[in-house]
Amino acid sequence: DAKTTQPPSMDCAEGRAANLPCNHSTISGNEYVYWYRQIHSQGPQYIIHGLKNNETNEMASLIITEDRKSSTLILPHATLRDTAVYYCIVKGAQKLVFGQGTRLTINP
Amino acid sequence: NAGVTQTPKFQVLKTGQSMTLQCAQDMNHEYMSWYRQDPGMGLRLIHYSVGAGITDQGEVPNGYNVSRSTTEDFPLRLLSAAPSQTSVYFCASSYSQGSKRAGELFFGEGSRLTVL
Repeated sequence: DAKTTQPPSMDCAEGRAANLPCNHSTISGNEYVYWYRQIHSQGPQYIIHGLKNNETNEMASLIITEDRKSSTLILPHATLRDTAVYYCIVKGAQKLVFGQGTRLTINP
Repeated sequence: NAGVTQTPKFQVLKTGQSMTLQCAQDMNHEYMSWYRQDPGMGLRLIHYSVGAGITDQGEVPNGYNVSRSTTEDFPLRLLSAAPSQTSVYFCASSYSQGSKRAGELFFGEGSRLTVL
């Protein structure tokens, strides 16, 4: 399974766009990039995933570079409720392995 | 739909005791998995199952057993609890591995286990 690298922490002002980067330079051609978040001590919540095209849903947008070696999760208008740990995962054949994630703090 | 249900939510054990963490899902998901999360850490995969009768090891399987006799249930057994197994345990389920949504995990609320 490809490894991912994320900054340990980030801050963002409420109402601004939060851009969370992820490096996955060893990703294989058929591996998807998944994003999850974990608010406080709750179970993680699925956000979005993609293969090579950019994706958007009601929660966020996912931008994947053309060489697929990195991606960015965008929360367009961050709110205080978006404060959480965000995990970027490259999915192997049968399992999702979580890394340490990025602790995103939204400041009022 | 209840989603993924874990029981118990809290448990205190003494070293050497055994117990089973229960996990049930009502979404007809083929894939189920168990993770543990230690304080300030990410989630680590213990065991997973791609369907009834099939289980496999994750990153940290030692000290844990699983079975998958039905699609709905995926219990996690601690045979002889150790203080190092003090953690929060999360069960998750998902669609079949051939699905485009195979990586969309649905998590339970967690089971907090303390081993003294």
